[in-house]
Amino acid sequence: AQSVTQPDIHITVSEGASLELRCNYSYGATPYLFWYVQSPGQGLQLLLKYFSGDTLVQGIKGFEAEFKRSQSSFNLRKPSVHWSDAAEYFCAVALNYGGSQGNLIFGKGTKLSVKP
Amino acid sequence: DAGITQSPRYKITETGRQVTLMCHQTWSHSYMFWYRQDLGHGLRLIYYSAAADITDKGEVPDGYVVSRSKTENFPLTLESATRSQTSVYFCASTGTGGGYEQYFGPGTRLTVT
Repeated sequence: AQSVTQPDIHITVSEGASLELRCNYSYGATPYLFWYVQSPGQGLQLLLKYFSGDTLVQGIKGFEAEFKRSQSSFNLRKPSVHWSDAAEYFCAVALNYGGSQGNLIFGKGTKLSVKP
Repeated sequence: DAGITQSPRYKITETGRQVTLMCHQTWSHSYMFWYRQDLGHGLRLIYYSAAADITDKGEVPDGYVVSRSKTENFPLTLESATRSQTSVYFCASTGTGGGYEQYFGPGTRLTVT
């Protein structure tokens, strides 16, 4: 069955430090992958997506993610974290077959805290 | 430029009552989705709809009913609310054409007492 694993429930980084959030997926076909961010009390906002082509994708707010098929991973990175990046981050994979086309499977999220 | 809206934003109801959560989108997106978000579970799909009058079950449909008579609206009804349905509910939509990225509403926080 398709699944998404985010191994880290909670990560704390210092402001200005680099960030990497991990995501591993299990999916037989070519995956469509997404990262979303959720600020407290808000809905989810799309940060970036991978469909095909260049395995390093750029997103909003200075984030990027790299698709590695051999590792079934789609890790999110940012070179320098800002206090406003504190939020919860969700990785997702889209089902792209049959009647479930377009449905997303989400990981359980990684909460990011930023120390001043 | 409203995008996708949900109402109410907060709701407290009693066990056994019927409650309807509303979702409205202004993009004419074909697909709409309902999720619930619970601590430790992430987001779980309740129901989805590929078009008006076409709906299908997701991962956790029990206790919920949906309808989609108009493209822009996708209400979610809890026919007899239970405490286990206390959650934050998110509506989302996406267009056709293989885009797949979903756009989310602000959520409805539902408490069942």
